[in-house]
Amino acid sequence: NAGVTQTPKFRILKIGQSMTLQCAQDMNHNYMYWYRQDPGMGLKLIYYSVGAGITDKGEVPNGYNVSRSTTEDFPLRLELAAPSQTSVYFCASSQDRANEQFFGPGTRLTVL
Amino acid sequence: AQSVTQLGSHVSVSEGALVLLRCNYSSSVPPYLFWYVQYPNQGLQLLLKYTTGATLVKGINGFEAEFKKSETSFHLTKPSAHMSDAAEYFCAVERAGSYQLTFGKGTKLSVIP
Repeated sequence: NAGVTQTPKFRILKIGQSMTLQCAQDMNHNYMYWYRQDPGMGLKLIYYSVGAGITDKGEVPNGYNVSRSTTEDFPLRLELAAPSQTSVYFCASSQDRANEQFFGPGTRLTVL
Repeated sequence: AQSVTQLGSHVSVSEGALVLLRCNYSSSVPPYLFWYVQYPNQGLQLLLKYTTGATLVKGINGFEAEFKKSETSFHLTKPSAHMSDAAEYFCAVERAGSYQLTFGKGTKLSVIP
């Protein structure tokens, strides 16, 4: 099993550009999550999904969109990138609530 | 709203010394509690969790934590630090009935030879 994979690993965007961060898991997990990690701030939940076709906002959803058309994939879309979106983004998945969340290796995004 | 407070953004211990990383939470109902570890340039990895039952939980790599409801605490300990324990540690809380983890800001552990 590859676990949770994320692409790309690094990306530099210009202000106003758009991009999609890809996330895939091969563990048949129902629950998937997107977090952003800023230095000294811990992780903040952006969006989560409890199954294909079902998504909901987390703590910091503004400026982001998600979709979940399959169990395996949970892409995160940034529209009109802003410097405040410079961060490290982690995707995670879990079998159920209160179960271990498995994290991907992260995408380091810089918006200039 | 629930919150998680980790005392000390940076803790240094000598190799072989006790490791104690503090975590306090605020929640209106008993939560699920987690400790995760992050090594440089990697994602997070679960160390241990408390959901119900025994309040002292053991995790990987010799770590353990005790849930103390009266103190709203879930401190992480390890009797003897190893150089490989140097990493950042995050305490997290999931309120029962929620799908969301709330993370503390993290504590970076340094181990001095």
